[in-house]
Amino acid sequence: NAGVMQNPRHLVRRRGQEARLRCSPMKGHSHVYWYRQLPEEGLKFMVYLQKENIIDESGMPKERFSAEFPKEGPSILRIQQVVRGDSAAYFCASSSTGGLYYEQYFGPGTRLTVT
Amino acid sequence: GDSVTQMEGPVTLSEEAFLTINCTYTATGYPSLFWYVQYPGEGLQLLLKATKADDKGSNKGFEATYRKETTSFHLEKGSVQVSDSAVYFCASNSGGGADGLTFGKGTHLIIQP
Repeated sequence: NAGVMQNPRHLVRRRGQEARLRCSPMKGHSHVYWYRQLPEEGLKFMVYLQKENIIDESGMPKERFSAEFPKEGPSILRIQQVVRGDSAAYFCASSSTGGLYYEQYFGPGTRLTVT
Repeated sequence: GDSVTQMEGPVTLSEEAFLTINCTYTATGYPSLFWYVQYPGEGLQLLLKATKADDKGSNKGFEATYRKETTSFHLEKGSVQVSDSAVYFCASNSGGGADGLTFGKGTHLIIQP
């Protein structure tokens, strides 16, 4: 049973370009979460999605960041006009059910470097 | 909002030493609590969890007990190995429709042979 898959694993973008990060949840999971990990920091929650719905985006920056989880295909985290401060590791997690009792399974992350 | 505080690292121990990594939380209601481990260059792996007061989570020799009276979830292991070297994250989830985990900053554990 494949785990959570993320690609690319490493992404380099110049300032002002767009970054697209992809996440395929574990088989049978319909809940996806995105987190950002800045250097020497813990993970910060960004957004929680179910198929075709954003459930909670309270951790998303108001500008330049968007996320989707279409009916078919992976979840996408999109960062427009990247800046150096966006350099971080972005992790996706999935769960079979929402709610506080259920563990989230994490992918290997995408390490974004903005030059 | 929720917050999680864990001891600063790095923590350096000799092989077979006893390990404690402290974790305390603040939350509305009664959150579920988790410990995750991150090896270099990898994502987070769930180590153990507890969903209610006095529950003990355990896995691979690690244990943590959900203490509501002290709002703590300290991670312990009786005899650490070099392969336990990693970064350990304590996390909470209060749910309520917002199911994002709240993480501590992580504790880097180094085990020397």
